[in-house]
Amino acid sequence: EPEVTQTPSHQVTQMGQEVILRCVPISNHLYFYWYRQILGQKVEFLVSFYNNEISEKSEIFDDQFSVERPDGSNFTLKIRSTKLEDSAMYFCASNLMASTDTQYFGPGTRLTVL
Amino acid sequence: KNEVEQSPQNLTAQEGEFITINCSYSVGISALHWLQQHPGGGIVSLFMLSSGKKKHGRLIATINIQEKHSSLHITASHPRDSAVYICAVSYNNDMRFGAGTRLTVKP
Repeated sequence: EPEVTQTPSHQVTQMGQEVILRCVPISNHLYFYWYRQILGQKVEFLVSFYNNEISEKSEIFDDQFSVERPDGSNFTLKIRSTKLEDSAMYFCASNLMASTDTQYFGPGTRLTVL
Repeated sequence: KNEVEQSPQNLTAQEGEFITINCSYSVGISALHWLQQHPGGGIVSLFMLSSGKKKHGRLIATINIQEKHSSLHITASHPRDSAVYICAVSYNNDMRFGAGTRLTVKP
């Protein structure tokens, strides 16, 4: 069964460094999402992406964040200059038809900023 | 202001018991999702519904659009059902999540 994959599973970085989190969505899906979950807190929406553009973003998704679909299979989240408070689990998800379709989640990348 | 409220926050049950988790939301939605988050952190979508009721195995989800309320029921609960159950609502192209209900089913 197709699944969403994410790499790496765990990333440790120093404050101020740039990180890129990678996701491979399910191949025929058209909508892509990033979410984060700070330890012990609820999942939060970051951004949705369709047709090579951001379609929605939350207030969390500021200028330090960017997303890209560089090659038709990968979907990346870049954090330009990491802060301690960026430490969280980051989940990628994808689906075929946006808000009225089941989303398929990747296993997550745990980001630790020291 | 929480757009999605779940109750209870924590729930402990004995194996075989009937479980109900509730979700209320305060915004207009395209759909409501019930998700399961395992202890390792992975998230699995259980149901997506915009009206009525859906059933999958021992799981049943219902939604009342007028009352902005949904319930997730688990019949004949089993220790392997132990997880965090999350209610989320989608509108436009984003999703808003509840805080989750941590379910522990004891043998």
